Amino acid sequence: DTAVSQTPKYLVTQMGNDKSIKCEQNLGHDTMYWYKQDSKKFLKIMFSYNNKELIINETVPNRFSPKSPDKAHLNLHINSLELGDSAVYFCASSQEDGTQYFGPGTRLLVL
Amino acid sequence: SQKIEQNSEALNIQEGKTATLTCNYTNYSPAYLQWYRQDPGRGPVFLLLIRENEKEKRKERLKVTFDTTLKQSLFHITASQPADSATYLCAPHSGGYQKVTFGTGTKLQVIP
Repeated sequence: DTAVSQTPKYLVTQMGNDKSIKCEQNLGHDTMYWYKQDSKKFLKIMFSYNNKELIINETVPNRFSPKSPDKAHLNLHINSLELGDSAVYFCASSQEDGTQYFGPGTRLLVL
Repeated sequence: SQKIEQNSEALNIQEGKTATLTCNYTNYSPAYLQWYRQDPGRGPVFLLLIRENEKEKRKERLKVTFDTTLKQSLFHITASQPADSATYLCAPHSGGYQKVTFGTGTKLQVIP
């Protein structure tokens, strides 16, 4: 009965590869997000979807492409991975007041 | 540009004392201010939300204040316990579908 789940939990890959991270929420929230937390632990928003529509798109390289097949799912595809993409990626969903419910995170290491 | 600062990267406090964490923001007029707790290797967990028209909010041993004139929120943990050791993040928010911007976090260590 996990509220926000992400797969995979760990992802180790070579530079130049393409990878995807999946996220699902069973809270019935309309809004979902992707955040990146770097080695300095700074949590920064990347994208936000409301009811499958992109509403926030921060300054993120276009190698990153989110996709929301329905309001309970938000996936993140990353093309041509670079060393600097190594970080923890968190998915979250929220109520109307913006209260965020986070997933467990995906630890991405690009070698 | 919006700036959110939390008083210190790390705060050490003796068990049983009150921990006070500070969140200051500039170039911003949030309608809400949220506080989260993050443990190592885990996602942040929501603790409390305070609205701009509320001066203070309490939940068990936690208390949050919100001063829109000073552009500051204080987060207090009374009778602190070693289990309270974690990183605490503040997040001002304008409401609705506006993005939530997180502060840099304060790592609290409660020493037995």
